[in-house]
Amino acid sequence: GAVVSQHPSRVICKSGTSVKIECRSLDFQATTMFWYRQFPKQSLMLMATSNEGSKATYEQGVEKDKFLINHASLTLSTLTVTSAHPEDSSFYICSAPGQSPGELFFGEGSRLTVL
Amino acid sequence: AQSVAQPEDQVNVAEGNPLTVKCTYSVSGNPYLFWYVQYPNRGLQFLLKYITGDNLVKGSYGFEAEFNKSQTSFHLKKPSALVSDSALYFCAVTARNYQLIWGAGTKLIIKP
Repeated sequence: GAVVSQHPSRVICKSGTSVKIECRSLDFQATTMFWYRQFPKQSLMLMATSNEGSKATYEQGVEKDKFLINHASLTLSTLTVTSAHPEDSSFYICSAPGQSPGELFFGEGSRLTVL
Repeated sequence: AQSVAQPEDQVNVAEGNPLTVKCTYSVSGNPYLFWYVQYPNRGLQFLLKYITGDNLVKGSYGFEAEFNKSQTSFHLKKPSALVSDSALYFCAVTARNYQLIWGAGTKLIIKP
């Protein structure tokens, strides 16, 4: 199956700093990528959909200025958590759609800890 | 409102016993149905899907799921559980725009 690589897998940062998470499709092109946040009680929340060459589409309640998403090329999407605070600590996961509806290929996830 | 329910936060099964992880949905039309598995501190992996045809679909690692249209359910099953099956399992269903609606996840614990 298709491979999606996500980096870094773990990052610890100080409050107020910004952190960038990269998501790459390694053996296919992805015009769309999805960014999820997973909360401690395990549920997945879709944050936004990144689109190559255009602005990301954010879900209701997600701060656009806090979570900057850029889809720079057909194989790379980035999520930047700006001015991070402890409440931003979470597990962030990206995914790219496959050929059939609902089929998704996930990155390995990034554990963000903000001190 | 469209939704997917996984009624059990956690399921405990002894190794070698059959397991069932439940999923019901409330979505209009004829959605596609999915199961994904997540191992600790990892992303999700596709397990199996139902689009049409035979109500019993087989997937990876010996898992299967049974689609029941009248009960709007898509329960995940395995005849004999392994300790390595311990993970977080997510049921997901496509909405009209083909975006996925996710269940809350069920933690499966297989005890030796």
